[in-house]
Amino acid sequence: GAVVSQHPSWVICKSGTSVKIECRSLDFQATTMFWYRQFPKQSLMLMATSNEGSKATYEQGVEKDKFLINHASLTLSTLTVTSAHPEDSSFYICSANDRQGANTGELFFGEGSRLTVL
Amino acid sequence: DQQVKQNSPSLSVQEGRISILNCDYTNSMFDYFLWYKKYPAEGPTFLISISSIKDKNEDGRFTVFLNKSAKHLSLHIVPSQPGDSAVYFCAASWGTSGSRLTFGEGTQLTVNP
Repeated sequence: GAVVSQHPSWVICKSGTSVKIECRSLDFQATTMFWYRQFPKQSLMLMATSNEGSKATYEQGVEKDKFLINHASLTLSTLTVTSAHPEDSSFYICSANDRQGANTGELFFGEGSRLTVL
Repeated sequence: DQQVKQNSPSLSVQEGRISILNCDYTNSMFDYFLWYKKYPAEGPTFLISISSIKDKNEDGRFTVFLNKSAKHLSLHIVPSQPGDSAVYFCAASWGTSGSRLTFGEGTQLTVNP
């Protein structure tokens, strides 16, 4: 299947700093990528839909000025957590679908990025 | 508002027996359902899916059943293997939302040797 890769896999930062997470589709082009967040023992919550060449679409309750998403190319989307605070500590996962999965909902997920804000 | 619910946070079965994971949904607009498997510190991987026009889909040891009237689906794994031990997420989507999935909370499956 298609491969999606995230970097870094884990990051620890001080409160107030910004952290950037990269999501790459390695063997296919993804016009749309999705960013999810998972808190311990909870479901994956969709944060935003990242569209190549245009603004991201954020889910209700997600602060677009705090979670900056850039999808500058068909293979790369970035999520920047600005002025991170301890409550932003979570597991951030990106996903994308290839052409075949576009209508089926079959997503390929990255490995996830564990963010810990001290 | 949790539109997709997995009421059992955990399930433990013996190797070789059947594992049945359940999922309920409330949004009648959902027309496509998927199961994902997730190991610790990794992203989920797609397992099997079913369209609302079907009531069963089978792929090797994995079978998904859909009961639209009850808004319920289940994943059957038979025979269960220790390598199946993981968290299983049920997900749903509808119409043109395509890949915009709504996930359940997940069920931790443990298959004991």
